[in-house]
Amino acid sequence: QQQVKQSPQSLIVQKGGISIINCAYENTAFDYFPWYQQFPGKGPALLIAIRPDVSEKKEGRFTISFNKSAKQFSLHIMDSQPGDSATYFCAASARRGKLIFGQGTELSVKP
Amino acid sequence: DTGVSQDPRHKITKRGQNVTFRCDPISEHNRLYWYRQTLGQGPEFLTYFQNEAQLEKSRLLSDRFSAERPKGSFSTLEIQRTEQGDSAMYLCASSLVLRRGLSLRSGNTIYFGEGSWLTVV
Repeated sequence: QQQVKQSPQSLIVQKGGISIINCAYENTAFDYFPWYQQFPGKGPALLIAIRPDVSEKKEGRFTISFNKSAKQFSLHIMDSQPGDSATYFCAASARRGKLIFGQGTELSVKP
Repeated sequence: DTGVSQDPRHKITKRGQNVTFRCDPISEHNRLYWYRQTLGQGPEFLTYFQNEAQLEKSRLLSDRFSAERPKGSFSTLEIQRTEQGDSAMYLCASSLVLRRGLSLRSGNTIYFGEGSWLTVV
C-alpha cells in the first residue's frame, strides 16, 4: 500500500514531441505528489509538485495531471528537448512525511 | 550555494570497514532525511529527523547502520562492518516543516543533496 508504481521504465521521444510518464498509488492518505528530475551522478531535483485538491498544474513545459478517483498522476513534458534527457521519478507523501518514490523513467530525447 | 551539502562525495572502502557520511542541511531546515539509491532504482527511505529527534527508521536500516543529528543541525550516517551490498549512493535531504496550524505555501518541499557514493570492494 506504500508503493508508487511508475511507467514506462524508459522512454525515447523525438525533439519537440510530448513525453508522458505515469504513476499510480494505493495509499489514499498520500496528499503530496512531486516529480523529481535526476541527471547522472547528481541528486534528484524537484521539478513540479501537486496536491490532490487540483486536477492539473502547469509550470512552463511541464504539466502534472492528477486523477484522484483513479489514484493516478502523470507528468507531461511538452516540446521535449535533448536537455530534458534524464531520469524522472514520481513520489508521494502523507501528512508532510517521508517521500515514497517510483522506480524511475529514463527519458531520452533524440535531436 | 546554500543547498544540502554531503561529504564525502565518493568513498571506496574494503569490506568490513566502517564508513561515515556527513550531511549539512539547508540552513533553518528542521527536518532531515537519509535515502539510499542503487543504479536504476528510485531513492529508498532510510530514516528521518525532526530537529535532533529521529522519528522514523526503515526496516532497510539494519543494526550496522546508525544515524545521528546532534543539536538538530548536521547529521551523520555511519555504516559499520560494510558489506558489498551496501554499495549505493546515500542521499541526504532536508525540508522545513512548520508547526501544526501554520501553512507553508511551498508545502513539503524536500531538497536533496548531490549524494555520497559508496563502493565496497
